[in-house]
Amino acid sequence: GENVEQHPSTLSVQEGDSAVIKCTYSDSASNYFPWYKQELGKRPQLIIDIRSNVGEKKDQRIAVTLNKTAKHFSLHITETQPEDSAVYFCAASGTGFQKLVFGTGTRLLVSP
Amino acid sequence: GAVVSQHPSRVICKSGTSVKIECRSLDFQATTMFWYRQFPKQSLMLMATSNEGSKATYEQGVEKDKFLINHASLTLSTLTVTSAHPEDSSFYICSAGSPGLQETQYFGPGTRLLVL
Repeated sequence: GENVEQHPSTLSVQEGDSAVIKCTYSDSASNYFPWYKQELGKRPQLIIDIRSNVGEKKDQRIAVTLNKTAKHFSLHITETQPEDSAVYFCAASGTGFQKLVFGTGTRLLVSP
Repeated sequence: GAVVSQHPSRVICKSGTSVKIECRSLDFQATTMFWYRQFPKQSLMLMATSNEGSKATYEQGVEKDKFLINHASLTLSTLTVTSAHPEDSSFYICSAGSPGLQETQYFGPGTRLLVL
C-alpha cells in the first residue's frame, strides 16, 4: 500500500521567511496530493492540492510542486506570518474519490 | 459549499459503554465517507471507508466489531465505538466527498472521545 513520509517534523522560522515542507510517496499510481493545515483541536483544512498532470500550482503565498519521477512533492509558504503557525499534513491518493494516506505532519512555528 | 458536520463535538463516557458519533454532509450528497482517528500529536489514521448502502471497508488492524459503521443515507454516516475502553480515547474525524467534488475530501470538525 501507499506510504507517505514527511519532513521536517518541526520547523521554526521568523516572520517573513519562507517555509518548505517535503513529502515522498511510494505508490506510483497515486495522482492526487493535497495539503492540509490543522490548528490545535480543529479539523484539517485543505489549503492547496495538486494532481499528477501538473508540476506546480500556486495560490497567493502558497505553492506546491510535484515531481512524479522522483515521487516527491513539496509545500512552499512565502512571507510567513504568525497565523501560519499550525501542523501541516501532506497526503496522497489515487484517481477519483479514494482514501487518503497522510504524512506524519510538520509543526510550523512562525515567530514575530 | 461542501460542509461536513459531526456530532457530538466531545463526549465523556464510562469504560464499557458504547458511543455513537454522527457525520453529516450538509450541502451535498456523500457517496463515500471516511473515518479517521487521531491521537495527540500524531497524524490522521484511516479507520474505515464507508460507502452508502454497503458494508464499510476497514483498514488492517481496526476491529470491525468494535467500531461499527453505518452509512444508511447519502448524507449520514455513523461510527459506534462499542464497549469503549480508555485506550479508545482519541479525536475521531470523518471526511466526505462525492464524484462531483473530484478527489477533494472535506473534513468534519471532529469528536473528542474521553473514556474514563
